[in-house]
Amino acid sequence: GAGVSQSPSNKVTEKGKDVELRCDPISGHTALYWYRQSLGQGLEFLIYFQGNSAPDKSGLPSDRFSAERTGGSVSTLTIQRTQQEDSAVYLCASSLAGWTGGSPLHFGNGTRLTVT
Amino acid sequence: ELKVEQNPLFLSMQEGKNYTIYCNYSTTSDRLYWYRQDPGKSLESLFVLLSNGAVKQEGRLMASLDTKARLSTLHITAAVHDLSATYFCAAKGAGSYQLTFGKGTKLSVIP
Repeated sequence: GAGVSQSPSNKVTEKGKDVELRCDPISGHTALYWYRQSLGQGLEFLIYFQGNSAPDKSGLPSDRFSAERTGGSVSTLTIQRTQQEDSAVYLCASSLAGWTGGSPLHFGNGTRLTVT
Repeated sequence: ELKVEQNPLFLSMQEGKNYTIYCNYSTTSDRLYWYRQDPGKSLESLFVLLSNGAVKQEGRLMASLDTKARLSTLHITAAVHDLSATYFCAAKGAGSYQLTFGKGTKLSVIP
């Protein structure tokens, strides 16, 4: 079966522009996460969606960042007025509902964002 | 706030040798995960540890969890070059939906 799909795989944008990153989770996975990985660093939590519940946005670094998930499936992470410090790999992950049974997060290949 | 520390951050070892990567976490956690990441690739799930004393093994890798010490270990037996990668541990705080990741251990196995 298909894994987590992210697009684009690479995005180069000018400082100040808006970008949209897309994530298509594994079918049947109701939990969806966005993480950010900066060069040589660990993963930084951004946002979590679970079914129709209100998302946990506690990791979003500023109000320039927002995310939505339509129909409980595809998610879009939007960064407005991009800054150079936004350059990173943005990873999306999905898992089965509610952490039951210790299901791991399945990660996509990420979108490498470069802000020039 | 849950913090996760891994050590060492860099590990260079010869083929055939054994070594252990350590993962400490700061507050109560009810899930501990190990992931592998190859350069330019995404993260691959290796192990999920759910309870105190849990031990899981896959090939030359064995992971264990001591919830009282808030410590997980990833033991590498008779390392081979194919194990060269960055290994991350991640802990899920009790009552939280977030996984908090360590900074990763970059393992290089030298022939």
